[in-house]
Amino acid sequence: GESVGLHLPTLSVQEGDNSIINCAYSNSASDYFIWYKQESGKGPQFIIDIRSNMDKRQGQRVTVLLNKTVKHLSLQIAATQPGDSAVYFCAERGADGLTFGKGTHLIIQP
Amino acid sequence: DTAVSQTPKYLVTQMGNDKSIKCEQNLGHDTMYWYKQDSKKFLKIMFSYNNKELIINETVPNRFSPKSPDKAHLNLHINSLELGDSAVYFCASSPSYFYADTQYFGPGTRLTVL
Repeated sequence: GESVGLHLPTLSVQEGDNSIINCAYSNSASDYFIWYKQESGKGPQFIIDIRSNMDKRQGQRVTVLLNKTVKHLSLQIAATQPGDSAVYFCAERGADGLTFGKGTHLIIQP
Repeated sequence: DTAVSQTPKYLVTQMGNDKSIKCEQNLGHDTMYWYKQDSKKFLKIMFSYNNKELIINETVPNRFSPKSPDKAHLNLHINSLELGDSAVYFCASSPSYFYADTQYFGPGTRLTVL
């Protein structure tokens, strides 16, 4: 089975609130993690990445946190907008390339 | 300009047929991939090619045969299509395999086998 997974299949948030999407991984040897966003009918799109020697990385409105102790990854989206509605995947890089988690569907309520 | 393109976008066919999906990238990347995404949105890698050579072949039936005529193209040929092959297939590319951090995905090909 897959070594990367997400805690919730669906996350519903109010527009303007912050969103937190979680991911658990099992391969402690993974050295690189990526978050992808997939909008309906489109391919996954790179959002932000983090290497295993870091515990936090910030982008524009997004922050990724990595807790290697508990093998947990999270994506925080500030001031969620309607355009953030999508399925979000975490992925880890191991010996065989990228392994994707199952995805969390982020729903934005007006 | 489309970085990674796939054709066709939709493919509907009967069981037992043979079909191909084409992929092209204009990013100058050395590595290309095929992924299968099932109805539950789970993305699973099928093949990886680096400089036209196969480097990963996951547990995929041998009815699936990738072909890379040059490093900008990676086509997927499927023989004797089965109902379970229905899925969305994504092509992706990255600068190289060993630095395979950011993968750029195509728009996907939705395959429906009747």
